[in-house]
Amino acid sequence: DADVTQTPRNRITKTGKRIMLECSQTKGHDRMYWYRQDPGLGLRLIYYSFDVKDINKGEISDGYSVSRQAQAKFSLSLESAIPNQTALYFCATSGAGEYTDTQYFGPGTRLTVL
Amino acid sequence: QQPVQSPQAVILREGEDAVINCSSSKALYSVHWYRQKHGEAPVFLMILLKGGEQKGHEKISASFNEKKQQSSLYLTASQLSYSGTYFCGTLSNDYKLSFGAGTTVTVRA
Repeated sequence: DADVTQTPRNRITKTGKRIMLECSQTKGHDRMYWYRQDPGLGLRLIYYSFDVKDINKGEISDGYSVSRQAQAKFSLSLESAIPNQTALYFCATSGAGEYTDTQYFGPGTRLTVL
Repeated sequence: QQPVQSPQAVILREGEDAVINCSSSKALYSVHWYRQKHGEAPVFLMILLKGGEQKGHEKISASFNEKKQQSSLYLTASQLSYSGTYFCGTLSNDYKLSFGAGTTVTVRA
């Protein structure tokens, strides 16, 4: 079984709809992240959480919110989806470690906003 | 602030070598390298810590010059399996990885 899972894997929605993307992990890691990937722009950090009570904005958090329901679960919400949020979204986890922080990625969710 | 990767893309024949560069304007604690195959998630290749350590993964190695805040990834005697997009990730004093835009490597038979 995969260590980091994301649901759904693909989603097509309409402008203005509320969308939730979910991430679960069995690696026992404290740190979890949400990234979006756009062609030519690499991976950009949306939100991250270093433990259940810690939530931080990344470089592109506008239009997104998150919830850390448990150590193993981290959800990303688009309150009112817009077309330029069409992208590939990745969840990632890492173990605590000041200089390591190797990230393990989920399989991704391809989101299309019409 | 994203690190800068170069080149954006490279095409190789099997057996040829290539170098991918990554530079940052910030002081770095470490540099990570990941590879992403088309339609898949990025996969960790290696990490380089302060001290200029050179690490290796198969025939892929990397170096880290902390004074210049630069890292280079060396693809030696490339194989078809090396095709993909390579990302560097830099870790500085905010403890968040910042990823470069990626370098697409195509290895042809």
